[in-house]
Amino acid sequence: SYELTQPPSVSVSPGRTATIACSGDKLGDKYVYWYQKRPGQSPVLVIYQDTKRPSGIPERFSGSNSGNTATLTISGTQTMDEADYYCQTWDVTTGVFGGGTKVTVL
Amino acid sequence: EVQLKESGGVAVQPGGSLRLSCAASGFKFHDYAMHWVRLPPGKGLEWVSLISWDAVTAYYADSVKGRFTTSRDNSKNSLYLQLSSLRPEDSALYFCAKANRNGFNLDGFDFWGQGTTVTVSS
Repeated sequence: SYELTQPPSVSVSPGRTATIACSGDKLGDKYVYWYQKRPGQSPVLVIYQDTKRPSGIPERFSGSNSGNTATLTISGTQTMDEADYYCQTWDVTTGVFGGGTKVTVL
Repeated sequence: EVQLKESGGVAVQPGGSLRLSCAASGFKFHDYAMHWVRLPPGKGLEWVSLISWDAVTAYYADSVKGRFTTSRDNSKNSLYLQLSSLRPEDSALYFCAKANRNGFNLDGFDFWGQGTTVTVSS
């Protein structure tokens, strides 16, 4: 079965850039979606189709996808960005999530 | 405003069954594929199933295939998940989620409900 691998945690200082990697076999050939999950809240789609931001998502969130790695970048990270982040793709007709990355802003 | 509200989560014994519901409003429900995603305690998100806008197509995660069935009633703007032969590892917060683009099954999930909790334990 297809797997997506994310680092368990990323730490970033306020105002700096956080980068979260998501790796999978030939991931660049697939669309990748990114979700933000804060404790006690429902997930929020922050990036779709590799690079697109839904309405209402701040410009500091950006995405890329090439080769075997997709990346979510948070520029000028704010304390409100502290959350778990999940990448997601489709393996034929099966949805696949990465294990999630906890972003700590300190 | 798009709203999704799940219900039906309860505590059940292993081997038991239950049905989850998801009431949708604020968008043309019949135009969009719908999904179920779960979050087991202390673990990450897991995709469970999808059903196409017209209910013709449904896909399932291997972990639930043959035990769970998803359905929808477009006349009632409602989505359902029938869970059977439940196992302790099915314990989770179950979310319904809307596909991002109309007519696309294999897409991102742009709106999520608040979730309903299923606990499988003896």
